[in-house]
Amino acid sequence: NAGVTQTPKFQVLKTGQSMTLQCAQDMNHEYMSWYRQDPGMGLRLIHYSVGAGITDQGEVPNGYNVSRSTTEDFPLRLLSAAPSQTSVYFCASSRLGGRALGADTQYFGPGTRLTVL
Amino acid sequence: AQKITQTQPGMFVQEKEAVTLDCTYDTSDPSYGLFWYKQPSSGEMIFLIYQGSYDQQNATEGRYSLNFQKARKSANLVISASQLGDSAMYFCAMSPISSGSARQLTFGSGTQLTVLP
Repeated sequence: NAGVTQTPKFQVLKTGQSMTLQCAQDMNHEYMSWYRQDPGMGLRLIHYSVGAGITDQGEVPNGYNVSRSTTEDFPLRLLSAAPSQTSVYFCASSRLGGRALGADTQYFGPGTRLTVL
Repeated sequence: AQKITQTQPGMFVQEKEAVTLDCTYDTSDPSYGLFWYKQPSSGEMIFLIYQGSYDQQNATEGRYSLNFQKARKSANLVISASQLGDSAMYFCAMSPISSGSARQLTFGSGTQLTVLP
């Protein structure tokens, strides 16, 4: 049981390049999400998904696309990288457990540190 | 809209002593969950403890306890018997709880805890 995995761990891009950050979970969680963490700040939600085929925008979605073709995978695509997207990106997953105690706790992957030059 | 406030950018505690990290929140959601995460210098986000707004008792997990005062809208983390390995950034977060909804976590800005030998 690997939990939430993310690849790559580090990436350097040039302005205008595109790339996909990979995220996978093996806990059969319905809910998956992407956050970014900028220096000295907490995490902010980019996109989320409540199940295969269903995605929606979070707080800071501009410049990013997502898709969810399977329960396990939730890739994040940067369409045309900009220096403002330099950040650490975290993927997280959880059950949609309703009112059960702690059922919707989100578990995070190790993060991807992205630098856009 | 939800808001988390952590007013202590940095805290110091002597090894083996207890420490309280403050967190206040604001939300219009009738049901919500409160979370604490630990982020060591290695960067991963580690889930520590969860408190549901409908829970009558304060949550405890080993050396961690959550002092939940709903009327004051506070959810302070108490770490007992601090250890050197507790030195890290600590984030308070919350999310709404309703069946099938997004579990958007709103984070505070964090408290950097340093445990002194």
